[in-house]
Amino acid sequence: QTVVTQEPSLTVSPGGTVTLTCASSTGAVTSGNSPNWFQQKPGQAPRALIYSTTNKHSWTPARFSGSLLGGKAALTLSGVQPEDEAEYYCLLHFGGAWGFGGGTKLTVL
Amino acid sequence: EVQLVESGGGLVQPGGSLRLSCAASGFTFSNYWMTWVRQAPGKGLEWVANIRQDGSERYYVASLKGRFTISRDNARNSLYLQMNSLRAEDTAVYFCAGDVQGVADYWGQGTLVTVSS
Repeated sequence: QTVVTQEPSLTVSPGGTVTLTCASSTGAVTSGNSPNWFQQKPGQAPRALIYSTTNKHSWTPARFSGSLLGGKAALTLSGVQPEDEAEYYCLLHFGGAWGFGGGTKLTVL
Repeated sequence: EVQLVESGGGLVQPGGSLRLSCAASGFTFSNYWMTWVRQAPGKGLEWVANIRQDGSERYYVASLKGRFTISRDNARNSLYLQMNSLRAEDTAVYFCAGDVQGVADYWGQGTLVTVSS
């Protein structure tokens, strides 16, 4: 079974920039894996942020951006705000089925 | 406003069955793929299954081994998840989600399924 890997935790200072990555055990992540990114805060349902690698939803703050970086999917937060402290999940497509990464706990400190 | 409301969760004994429902409103349900995602207590998200607009394609996480069935009724704007042979490790909050632009763009609040004797 395909394994999707994310950094377990990252810490960033307010106003800083941080990049979260998402790797696949099958090899390089490509646009064909159609990476999606989600944010989840405690006690809440997840919220979609990015779809198809780079596309933002209408509600996605401009400081969030998606890309492919060194064979991985990446989510970059520029100008981090305290309210960005949350768990972030990537989701990759594998020929019909999909798989989430284990999540990255982002701490803003 | 898009709304997804799950129901049908509860306490069930190991080996039992449960059928989850998801009522959709605020968008043209029949135009979009739909997805089920679950989250065990204190754990991460797990993609469970999805279904094409007309039900002609369905995909499942391999670990389920045929125990769950996703279905939909476009006339009722409803998504379902039939869960059989339930195990303790199926204990989770089950979310339904609508694939409007990407995957799982819109989420319900989830319904808790507890498998325990």
